[in-house]
Amino acid sequence: QSALTQPASVSGSPGQSITLSCTGTSSDVGSYNFVSWYQQHPDKAPKLIIYDVSKRPSGVSNRFSGSKSGNTASLTISGLQAEDEADYYCSSYTSSSVFGTGTKVTVL
Amino acid sequence: EVQLLQSGGGLVQPGGSLRLSCTASGFTFANYAMSWVRQAPGKGLEWVSAISGSGDNTYYSDSVKGRLTISRDNSKNTVYLQMNSLRAEDTAVYYCAKRSYSQHSSGLDVFDDSWGQGTLVTVSS
Repeated sequence: QSALTQPASVSGSPGQSITLSCTGTSSDVGSYNFVSWYQQHPDKAPKLIIYDVSKRPSGVSNRFSGSKSGNTASLTISGLQAEDEADYYCSSYTSSSVFGTGTKVTVL
Repeated sequence: EVQLLQSGGGLVQPGGSLRLSCTASGFTFANYAMSWVRQAPGKGLEWVSAISGSGDNTYYSDSVKGRLTISRDNSKNTVYLQMNSLRAEDTAVYYCAKRSYSQHSSGLDVFDDSWGQGTLVTVSS
């Protein structure tokens, strides 16, 4: 499986909403609702923030929301805060896991 | 609270071997699959390997198949990654993670819902 494609960087001002994309193929993202998202702060372990395309684990802020259309999944961060500055990775599971290339979110 | 405490790692010469350990607490270890994910310096995440809760089934990425071996000891709540024939391109921070599943009519979604702190493996002469 090839890595899923994500934009290298996205930025926004505090309070704004931003959307990160994650593009796969009809064999992975497009086939099933098996997309998850991870947040990683510098020198920290990744943290699961979305699974099943749009579900949030307990304790994750409702400012994070996920969706999917065709072969592209999206993560929207609303009410952007300084603490949201991090790297974000999508992942898709078919017979194995594949991660996206990652997006660096900068809060201006 | 789920905790995954990693140990092992360090500097090893090309062609050498190393074993990573990950000891779990806060959940019924034998009921969950576990995985290893790595991250080369300045790079993205790469899934490496996974093992079922019983240990009967193992899975590997093509890049490590035949050189890395995942195993677990449910009596010790520990998962291992034995790394042989190491190459410079294996240099990375290695994370262990607890796998969870979500059942759908179309199959299973699999994701890593808790992660260890990571351990650095450096392959260099």
